Amino acid sequence: QVQLQESGPGLVKPSETLSLTCTVSGGSISSSYWSWIRQPPGRGLEWIGLVSESGFKKYNPSLRSRVVISVETSKNQFSLNLSSVTAADTAVYYCARDEGAGYFDNWGQGTLVTVSS
Amino acid sequence: QSVLTQPPSASGTPGQRVTISCSGGSSNIGSNTVSWYRQLPGTAPKLLIYNFNQRPSGVPDRFSGSKSGTSASLAINGLQSEDEAAYYCAEWSDSLNGYVFGAGTMVTVL
Repeated sequence: QVQLQESGPGLVKPSETLSLTCTVSGGSISSSYWSWIRQPPGRGLEWIGLVSESGFKKYNPSLRSRVVISVETSKNQFSLNLSSVTAADTAVYYCARDEGAGYFDNWGQGTLVTVSS
Repeated sequence: QSVLTQPPSASGTPGQRVTISCSGGSSNIGSNTVSWYRQLPGTAPKLLIYNFNQRPSGVPDRFSGSKSGTSASLAINGLQSEDEAAYYCAEWSDSLNGYVFGAGTMVTVL
């Protein structure tokens, strides 16, 4: 059973870079696509982007200028970097697996990131 | 940024049937598969339906999905108190070249 776990700072200052890591256990990161999805408090879900082990990447057009998603195969991890953050980036950030069939079958538990000085 | 439209709320009494619609723009729903997720308060979303009407193992058969034209629907038969949650539809958007979610429907069990 594949499990995903997000990790990273829970507080980021405005204008700085938000960095999160998702660790995949119980399966290999070498298959599937791996996404980041976020949810501002009290609001809906927003897809941020995805990466595959081969380096294939897609980003949400609304965030593309600030987002980098990368994969570290040796550690079975993938990461999110979101630059120039503002309070609007405060959200619970989830990592999720997509096996290329158009849906997310596995989610991490989520981690709250607050942007505040 | 939702390009998939869902009603903000739905409700029913225990045992009733509740349906939630998910309608898209011109390039959504019809060309790509729709999935549905249930999010209980304070927890991560969980896959409920994929490929419009397929259930992952472990999801009760009282949850069903369907597609009609450019809309998809989720039906909950035999509504139970534990079904009180937010429900989201999602699809790959060819026009945005990425995934899009509906804004979510909050289901209340009266």
